[in-house]
Amino acid sequence: KAGVTQTPRYLIKTRGQQVTLSCSPISGHRSVSWYQQTPGQGLQFLFEYFSETQRNKGNFPGRFSGRQFSNSRSEMNVSTLELGDSALYLCASSPAGDTNEKLFFGSGTQLSVL
Amino acid sequence: AQKVTQAQTEISVVEKEDVTLDCVYETRDTTYYLFWYKQPPSGELVFLIRRNSFDEQNEISGRYSWNFQKSTSSFNFTITASQVVDSAVYFCALKWETSYDKVIFGPGTSLSVIP
Repeated sequence: KAGVTQTPRYLIKTRGQQVTLSCSPISGHRSVSWYQQTPGQGLQFLFEYFSETQRNKGNFPGRFSGRQFSNSRSEMNVSTLELGDSALYLCASSPAGDTNEKLFFGSGTQLSVL
Repeated sequence: AQKVTQAQTEISVVEKEDVTLDCVYETRDTTYYLFWYKQPPSGELVFLIRRNSFDEQNEISGRYSWNFQKSTSSFNFTITASQVVDSAVYFCALKWETSYDKVIFGPGTSLSVIP
């Protein structure tokens, strides 16, 4: 069974641009969540989608958005990039997002904003 | 509000030594789950262990063991006979009844196992 796949692996953008990151969950998993990891702030929750609906959202500005498709694949978009958006963006999936379920993570997309 | 604290920022041990990683959590929910994840240099977080709030029985799984104490809100993780491959960042994490896949992570403990 394939794991969580994130593309691209690395991305370099300049301030003011926008970026779209992609995540394909494990087959059969319907919950997809996104996390931002930086040296200063650690791992922070961005948002979670289940059956194409956003169930939870973290404390990030509106420039951060996401969506989920009917095949459970998810994308996140960051508009008007700032230097502080440089981070490792991790996607995770689980069967249904229940409290007792562990998360399966992808290898992440390393975003650098210049 | 939920919070996870890992007081140890970095730990170095010599191979074959035992090492314990500390985790203290805060939540007002009575139903919650605690997790430990490992992040090797490749970046992908890997699940290690899970414990629910109603089961304080401590267990051992191979070289891993954990000590869950509700009285002190602690969920410590021990690696016995450490190996170089255990070198990674370890995260303690918390999910609660209505959080679905919103996970609160601790700041992480970087473990270096020296051969």
